[in-house]
Amino acid sequence: DIQMTQSPSTLSASVGDRVTMTCRASQSVSNWLAWYQQKPGKAPQLLIYKVSNLQSGVPSRFSGSGSGTEFTLTISSLQPDDSAAYYCQQYKSYWTFGQGTKVEIK
Amino acid sequence: EVQLLESGGGLVQPGGSLRLSCAASGFTFSNYAMTWVRQAPGKGLEWVSGIRGSSGSTFYADSVKGRFTISRDNSKNTLFLQINSLRAEDTAEYYCARSQTIGELLLHFDYWGQGILVTVSS
Repeated sequence: DIQMTQSPSTLSASVGDRVTMTCRASQSVSNWLAWYQQKPGKAPQLLIYKVSNLQSGVPSRFSGSGSGTEFTLTISSLQPDDSAAYYCQQYKSYWTFGQGTKVEIK
Repeated sequence: EVQLLESGGGLVQPGGSLRLSCAASGFTFSNYAMTWVRQAPGKGLEWVSGIRGSSGSTFYADSVKGRFTISRDNSKNTLFLQINSLRAEDTAEYYCARSQTIGELLLHFDYWGQGILVTVSS
């Protein structure tokens, strides 16, 4: 099974900051990697698929990069609405989620 | 508009059974793989099970294999999850989600239901 590890677990930053979080796979997932945002009490929403493709309607301040086993999600200018948990997911072999990174606004 | 609506959750005693449903609308249901994802209180997301669109091939996480059964009725645009021998650790919000596919490739989840709570307790 492919394991996904996210870091950090929690991230605190100010509005306007550039924020980066990491996702590592236990083996190569090629470019079969997605990112989801989940706000408290809500269902997850797809942000990015295939490493760097922005889902329709997602603000351009979100971007993804990486390949193989190491991936990053970047928020170029953090907004209050970005306070949420973020999960990476591999879909090279069925599906596995990372444990999540919680983004807090200072 | 794509919509996924789960139902069938609730309070169940340990060892009991439950059948979750997910009613889909706004897309050609049989063309898509569908999945179940759960989230224990205060925890992260855990993929549980998936089923292909037309072939009906099924997949399970090791943690639920043998106790959970996924199925679908393409004539009624409905996805199901039969959960048997329920344990306290099955307590979670259960989401159905649509998987994009390209041929045989199973891809990311582009639409999610709002979730349904299953609580296992005596």
